[in-house]
Amino acid sequence: EAGVAQSPRYKIIEKRQSVAFWCNPISGHATLYWYQQILGQGPKLLIQFQNNGVVDDSQLPKDRFSAERLKGVDSTLKIQPAKLEDSAVYLCASSRGLGNYEQYFGPGTRLTVT
Amino acid sequence: TQLLEQSPQFLSIQEGENLTVYCNSSSVFSSLQWYRQEPGEGPVLLVTVVTGGEVKKLKRLTFQFGDARKDSSLHITAAQPGDTGLYLCAGKTSYDKVIFGPGTSLSVIP
Repeated sequence: EAGVAQSPRYKIIEKRQSVAFWCNPISGHATLYWYQQILGQGPKLLIQFQNNGVVDDSQLPKDRFSAERLKGVDSTLKIQPAKLEDSAVYLCASSRGLGNYEQYFGPGTRLTVT
Repeated sequence: TQLLEQSPQFLSIQEGENLTVYCNSSSVFSSLQWYRQEPGEGPVLLVTVVTGGEVKKLKRLTFQFGDARKDSSLHITAAQPGDTGLYLCAGKTSYDKVIFGPGTSLSVIP
């Protein structure tokens, strides 16, 4: 069974530029999560999808961050414009559904904003 | 706001030693998970505990969920270099939201 795929693995941009990350969850997993992990901290949930609907985006900075999962499979997370404090690892995870299901994480995208 | 605290933040021990790391909160969680994260990788689930007072063992790792479901501990017996990594606890709230702690960074020296 293939794991959660993310790309790119690394990205360096200047502040005020835009960037997009892509995630392909495990086949058949209905729930998809995007997390932000700043160095030295635990992952913070940005947005959670159930199929193609948003379940929770309460911690997503909506003035600059957006995410979509149009067909209920893969997802993109965009930052526009980026700030220095957006430097972090962006993790995508998927699970079979809501409830006490195991989350499977991708390797993450390390973003550096200069 | 529900928060999870983990201690210690950093731990460096010799191979063969035992250790315990802690995860604490003032809030009650419906379940609690422990993950291990290696550099450049995403977290990998080790265990989920659901019942207050529950103890689970995974080879040399022992996990305990507090009676009040507000805290948890992870005990490693005879640590090995392969145990090196960031140990994260994550609590699930009654609203089905998962909150991660800041992690304990463990280094096991051969």
